[in-house]
Amino acid sequence: AQTVTQSQPEMSVQEAETVTLSCTYDTSESDYYLFWYKQPPSRQMILVIRQEAYKQQNATENRFSVNFQKAAKSFSLKISDSQLGDAAMYFCAYSSYNNNDMRFGAGTRLTVKP
Amino acid sequence: DAGVIQSPRHEVTEMGQEVTLRCKPISGHNSLFWYRQTMMRGLELLIYFNNNVPIDDSGMPEDRFSAKMPNASFSTLKIQPSEPRDSAVYFCASRRENEKLFFGSGTQLSVL
Repeated sequence: AQTVTQSQPEMSVQEAETVTLSCTYDTSESDYYLFWYKQPPSRQMILVIRQEAYKQQNATENRFSVNFQKAAKSFSLKISDSQLGDAAMYFCAYSSYNNNDMRFGAGTRLTVKP
Repeated sequence: DAGVIQSPRHEVTEMGQEVTLRCKPISGHNSLFWYRQTMMRGLELLIYFNNNVPIDDSGMPEDRFSAKMPNASFSTLKIQPSEPRDSAVYFCASRRENEKLFFGSGTQLSVL
């Protein structure tokens, strides 16, 4: 099965600054999807951004963008102009195109300092 | 749509007791997933179903864990007998193929 690795258990950022969360994955497939989900203290899981592996262009959603490096199997999330409401646990996820499964990394806890 | 519905939201039980967690996926979604979240291991995939058929249960930790999906609108995750190390938040999620995953609100399980 594919594995997803988030090597940063915790990160912190100053309000209004930029932070990058790392994610790497292991796969032999060429077609797949990658996601970042946010989990605030409410425990709700919220989709932040999604990337199709066949697209070379990096996905962007407002202040959130990714740096997708397919050859390196890397999928980092950049949060610009960090806000207090961005404080949460962030999970990177891999979805196989063929099997339709969805596997997550261990998560990175982001703290935003005022 | 009401979203993915899980019950109960909280469950406290004693070691050795049977625990059953329930999930109603979003109508029209053909895939259903069960995850377990702990501080140590993050969000682990336990089992997932496509069109009510279990596809991969390699994440189920032991034979004490079992999951069923008798129809497209209902699934259960059962632990029998439960142990303190099973204490975690259990999430159910559903989606259409290769689309966004929708999560339920989770069940906080405490086994004393």
